[in-house]
Amino acid sequence: DAKTTQPNSMESNEEEPVHLPCNHSTISGTDYIHWYRQLPSQGPEYVIHGLTSNVNNRMASLAIAEDRKSSTLILHRATLRDAAVYYCILREKQIGTGANSKLTFGKGITLSVRP
Amino acid sequence: NAGVTQTPKFRILKIGQSMTLQCTQDMNHNYMYWYRQDPGMGLKLIYYSVGAGITDKGEVPNGYNVSRSTTEDFPLRLELAAPSQTSVYFCASSYNYGYTFGSGTRLTVV
Repeated sequence: DAKTTQPNSMESNEEEPVHLPCNHSTISGTDYIHWYRQLPSQGPEYVIHGLTSNVNNRMASLAIAEDRKSSTLILHRATLRDAAVYYCILREKQIGTGANSKLTFGKGITLSVRP
Repeated sequence: NAGVTQTPKFRILKIGQSMTLQCTQDMNHNYMYWYRQDPGMGLKLIYYSVGAGITDKGEVPNGYNVSRSTTEDFPLRLELAAPSQTSVYFCASSYNYGYTFGSGTRLTVV
């Protein structure tokens, strides 16, 4: 599986935007970029995913570099509830039975939000 | 919808005991997964299933067994518990692009 590189931690202030970077220099053409987050004492939850174009949803935005070797998860206005571990994951496009649909988690980036 | 339900939430086992971690989903997802998460680490895949009757090993399958007799249920069995299996266990299911995770089972083996 292609790997991603994220900083260990980041701090932000409440109500300010947060940009979480992710490097994936060995990404292949069929890899989707997925982001999950894990709040304290909870299971991970899906945040957003994309292939080539920037993506927006109610939780966040995903900005993907033109060469796809890096991406940035953008939280437009951080709240205390956004303090979590954020995982950037590459996932192969599902083909056939989906045997290649597994997610491989790294250590992620720990986001702290200051009031 | 309840989503993915895991039971129990907490359990303490003695070395050599066995137990089954239960996982049920009500979203009719074909794909289901078991992960474990050790303190300060990311999740590691134990076993997964792409549909009823089909299971396969993940990254760390030793010491565990699974079965998938129905779409809804994907139990994880520990036969001879060892201290190295102390961890938080997460079950997940997926249909297409997003995984839905359960709230986890915190297992301690003493």
